[in-house]
Amino acid sequence: QQQVKQSPQSLIVQKGGISIINCAYENTAFDYFPWYQQFPGKGPALLIAIRPDVSEKKEGRFTISFNKSAKQFSLHIMDSQPGDSATYFCAASIYNFGNEKLTFGTGTRLTIIP
Amino acid sequence: DVKVTQSSRYLVKRTGEKVFLECVQDMDHENMFWYRQDPGLGLRLIYFSYDVKMKEKGDIPEGYSVSREKKERFSLILESASTNQTSMYLCASSSRTGSNQPQHFGDGTRLSIL
Repeated sequence: QQQVKQSPQSLIVQKGGISIINCAYENTAFDYFPWYQQFPGKGPALLIAIRPDVSEKKEGRFTISFNKSAKQFSLHIMDSQPGDSATYFCAASIYNFGNEKLTFGTGTRLTIIP
Repeated sequence: DVKVTQSSRYLVKRTGEKVFLECVQDMDHENMFWYRQDPGLGLRLIYFSYDVKMKEKGDIPEGYSVSREKKERFSLILESASTNQTSMYLCASSSRTGSNQPQHFGDGTRLSIL
């Protein structure tokens, strides 16, 4: 049973455009929602994260929008650049005294074309 | 910078062999994780460990075991390798200080079972 559903599977965006990746979750006990970025040949790395007590978090060109009632959250990349081409994973976890484990979405391969 | 090192980038083994994947982290992290990454399925948790000699099953533990004899080292063992275990394997570590600490990933081992 997939607890975090991610879409689209792949996305092509023109340079300077806005990239949007969506995730939906089922378990209302989730209380932490990170996004990881993975470049080819590398492991994923934390990009940005949000807790459900806020509806939006922005770090530079990257923004997470969170809709608690709809159980959905999304990553927006403004002014997308070729260097943003990577695979993006949303994830969710439940507080467990520092022993949290992540449930990942299936990933979105983003390609930014010039 | 946190460094998570996986012993092999590429590994080819035969069906029925016992396979060891090694992972070492240099940040004195308490938590360590093993995932497999398959196209369209994202990252799926195999096993994790909160401390030396402790282990817990993740979402897909069948056919795998783990060993954590030292804090910095976490080994994944395929008891009798099968072709359906051909995959990319990723190791990660995180601190238990505070909640929801980021997971730091190695660059993966691409394992082929023939």
